[in-house]
Amino acid sequence: DADVTQTPRNRITKTGKRIMLECSQTKGHDRMYWYRQDPGLGLRLIYYSFDVKDINKGEISDGYSVSRQAQAKFSLSLESAIPNQTALYFCATSEQGSGANVLTFGAGSRLTVL
Amino acid sequence: QKEVEQDPGPLSVPEGAIVSLNCTYSNSAFQYFMWYRQYSRKGPELLMYTYSSGNKEDGRFTAQVDKSSKYISLFIRDSQPSDSATYLCAMSAHWTSGSARQLTFGSGTQLTVLP
Repeated sequence: DADVTQTPRNRITKTGKRIMLECSQTKGHDRMYWYRQDPGLGLRLIYYSFDVKDINKGEISDGYSVSRQAQAKFSLSLESAIPNQTALYFCATSEQGSGANVLTFGAGSRLTVL
Repeated sequence: QKEVEQDPGPLSVPEGAIVSLNCTYSNSAFQYFMWYRQYSRKGPELLMYTYSSGNKEDGRFTAQVDKSSKYISLFIRDSQPSDSATYLCAMSAHWTSGSARQLTFGSGTQLTVLP
């Protein structure tokens, strides 16, 4: 099984619908992240969490919310999806520490909002 | 202007060629420099990272950091078709707070190595 598992892998939805993307990890890492990837823009951080009680906004949090249900689970919600939220979404984890922040990514969730 | 600039390519080379991938950056606080490789329909995976300036070699891959020029490079020797992927540079500042260690990514360079 993958270290970081994302579900669903692909989702097509309509404008205004609520969508949840789920992420679970077996790495035992405390830190979890949600990124979106768009052509030409690279990876941009949406939210991150350093433990179950710690949630932080990233660069582009507007229109998104998250929930850290357990150390191993971190979900991303779009309360009312809009077409410009069409993107590839990645969950990632990292260890707590003072060195390089090395991320382990899931395989991605491709979301299309019509 | 973006904090990290990376030529998106696409870059196409013949098998066996030496590949040079580059990023420039503007934030002088960046201390950790990474290269991630992303195959089609997969998540990025860490290829190499370096701390501060200098070179680091791992097999056919060499990472170089020139902090004075705010320029980093990844060289691939004897490139193989299996190296065909998108390569993302990423960098962060030294640990002072959680936010300071967040990675800033380049937009990625798409590389194709032709057999």
